[in-house]
Amino acid sequence: DVKVTQSSRYLVKRTGEKVFLECVQDMDHENMFWYRQDPGLGLRLIYFSYDVKMKEKGDIPEGYSVSREKKERFSLILESASTNQTSMYLCASRRDRVRDNEQFFGPGTRLTVL
Amino acid sequence: AQKVTQAQTEISVVEKEDVTLDCVYETRDTTYYLFWYKQPPSGELVFLIRRNSFDEQNEISGRYSWNFQKSTSSFNFTITASQVVDSAVYFCALSEVFSGGGADGLTFGKGTHLIIQP
Repeated sequence: DVKVTQSSRYLVKRTGEKVFLECVQDMDHENMFWYRQDPGLGLRLIYFSYDVKMKEKGDIPEGYSVSREKKERFSLILESASTNQTSMYLCASRRDRVRDNEQFFGPGTRLTVL
Repeated sequence: AQKVTQAQTEISVVEKEDVTLDCVYETRDTTYYLFWYKQPPSGELVFLIRRNSFDEQNEISGRYSWNFQKSTSSFNFTITASQVVDSAVYFCALSEVFSGGGADGLTFGKGTHLIIQP
């Protein structure tokens, strides 16, 4: 079974702090994704990565950056957290660029920025 | 641009009733893929089904069935004889093959919160 894990289920940070959200997958998948989920808005794509050292902007990249130094790990970085980044963050992986392959999701990190 | 609409924000039914979750999509591509995911209270999205745009065959998996109609751009999901364990948020999602240079990843609807009462 594919396993996608995220470093924290719940996180509370202060405005202006630098925040790292970590995601690890154990099935040697090439592609990884970060989404945020907000009530009434569904899931929205922040960034994605096709492979190591690669990153692409999603639909709402502003205020975020990412890092993919190893194939299994994809980090989402909030350089200076703001209250409007309070959200549920979901990481996903996909075997490769074939778009009919399903994405496998982690359990999510609920981030609160005070 | 692609779009997925799940007009039903919340549905509440009594156990053993049948329930249909609606999904309508918009895309300019002729090749695309549709997905349904389930998000139980634990939070992790669980993949349920995938359908490509060339395959309009309906699918049945146990109590679950899916009706794909290109003519109405709909991909509806029916649960027969619902159970309390079916309570969750259900998302319909779209993936285009040629997205005109746009972002990869899934375009999700806003989800339908299904409540099955005992």
